[in-house]
Amino acid sequence: NAGVMQNPRHLVRRRGQEARLRCSPMKGHSHVYWYRQLPEEGLKFMVYLQKENIIDESGMPKERFSAEFPKEGPSILRIQQVVRGDSAAYFCASSPSKSGGQPQHFGDGTRLSIL
Amino acid sequence: AQTVTQSQPEMSVQEAETVTLSCTYDTSESDYYLFWYKQPPSRQMILVIRQEAYKQQNATENRFSVNFQKAAKSFSLKISDSQLGDAAMYFCAYRAGTASKLTFGTGTRLQVTL
Repeated sequence: NAGVMQNPRHLVRRRGQEARLRCSPMKGHSHVYWYRQLPEEGLKFMVYLQKENIIDESGMPKERFSAEFPKEGPSILRIQQVVRGDSAAYFCASSPSKSGGQPQHFGDGTRLSIL
Repeated sequence: AQTVTQSQPEMSVQEAETVTLSCTYDTSESDYYLFWYKQPPSRQMILVIRQEAYKQQNATENRFSVNFQKAAKSFSLKISDSQLGDAAMYFCAYRAGTASKLTFGTGTRLQVTL
């Protein structure tokens, strides 16, 4: 049973470009969460999605960031017009339900570097 | 708002010894869950152990156990018989029963020495 798959593992972008990060949840999981980890810090919640719906985006910056989880295919975190401050590790997690007791299973993360 | 505090940025333990990592949290919720995640240098996030707030019994997973003090809002992790592979960042996390997101502490870096 494959775990949460994130790609790419590393992504390098120049300032002003777009970054697209992909996440395929574990089989049978329909709940996806994105977190950001700045250097030497803990993970910060960004957004929670179910298939075709954004449920909670309270941690998403208001501009340049968007997320989707289409009916078919992986969840995508999109960052437009990247800036140096977007350099971070972005983690995706999934769970089979929203129940608070269900552990979230994490992918290996995408490390985004902005030149 | 819920907060999670890890007051030990770094800890060190000798191989085969026992170490305890501290975590406190603040919440007004009665239904919640607590987790410890391990992040080795590979940067994976690995679930170590979880605790349901409604359970009085402390969770245990092999060499890992917790000391859950609900009234004090404390959730410490004890690692027994420490091994070199235990060296990692350890994050304490909280999740309200009805919430979607995990709230993480800032982490404790654990070194294991020979």
